[in-house]
Amino acid sequence: DAKTTQPTSMDCAEGRAANLPCNHSTISGNEYVYWYRQIHSQGPQYIIHGLKNNETNEMASLIITEDRKSSTLILPHATLRDTAVYYCIVRVRGGSWGKLQFGAGTQVVVTP
Amino acid sequence: GAVVSQHPSWVICKSGTSVKIECRSLDFQATTMFWYRQFPKQSLMLMATSNEGSKATYEQGVEKDKFLINHASLTLSTLTVTSAHPEDSSFYICSARQDTEAFFGQGTRLTVV
Repeated sequence: DAKTTQPTSMDCAEGRAANLPCNHSTISGNEYVYWYRQIHSQGPQYIIHGLKNNETNEMASLIITEDRKSSTLILPHATLRDTAVYYCIVRVRGGSWGKLQFGAGTQVVVTP
Repeated sequence: GAVVSQHPSWVICKSGTSVKIECRSLDFQATTMFWYRQFPKQSLMLMATSNEGSKATYEQGVEKDKFLINHASLTLSTLTVTSAHPEDSSFYICSARQDTEAFFGQGTRLTVV
C-alpha cells in the first residue's frame, strides 16, 4: 500500500469547515483513498473513501486531485465531537486485502 | 454499517496472569478478523490476522505463544494475552472484514499491575 503523509495536528473553530490534507504521491491506479477517525479511547470509525472522483456523505467530503497524489477531507461544519485523530489510508479494495496500515494521522482539535 | 463488539471494554489484571479479550461481529459473519495494539500517543499497529477455522497469521515481532488467537466461529475471535506483564498494558482493538470493508470494535484497555 502507498504511504501517506499528513500534518501532525490541526486546530479548527467550531462551526467552521475543517480541511484535512493528505499526500499520497506513490498511489497506484487501483488504490483507493480511505479516511478513518479515532476519538480518544475508541476504535477507529470509517468516514469516507474514493478512487478518482470527489465523494460526499453525511459525515464529510473527499476531494482527490486529478493526479491522485493528494486529497483533502472536508468536515463542513466542525463540532466539538469531531475532535479526534484522522487517518488517511491508501489501499487496494477487494481481493484478499485486510490489513490496514495506520500512520500517525492528524490530531484535530475543535475549539468553541 | 456493521457492528463489531469487544468485551471487556477495560480490564486490570495482575502480572503473570492471562487475559482473554473477545471480538464479535454482531450482525454479519466474518471469516477474517484483525487484532491491533495501540500504545499511548501512538498509532494502531497490526498484531495478527485471525482466520476462521485456521491458524492466525502474526506480524513480525509479535509472539504467537504470548498472544493466542482463536477464531472458532464466524462471529467470534478471541485474543488471550498469556502471562501478562506491565509492558503488555495497551489498548487492544479488533476489526472484522465484511466484503471489502473493515469495521472496528470499541477497543479494550488492558492494564497489567
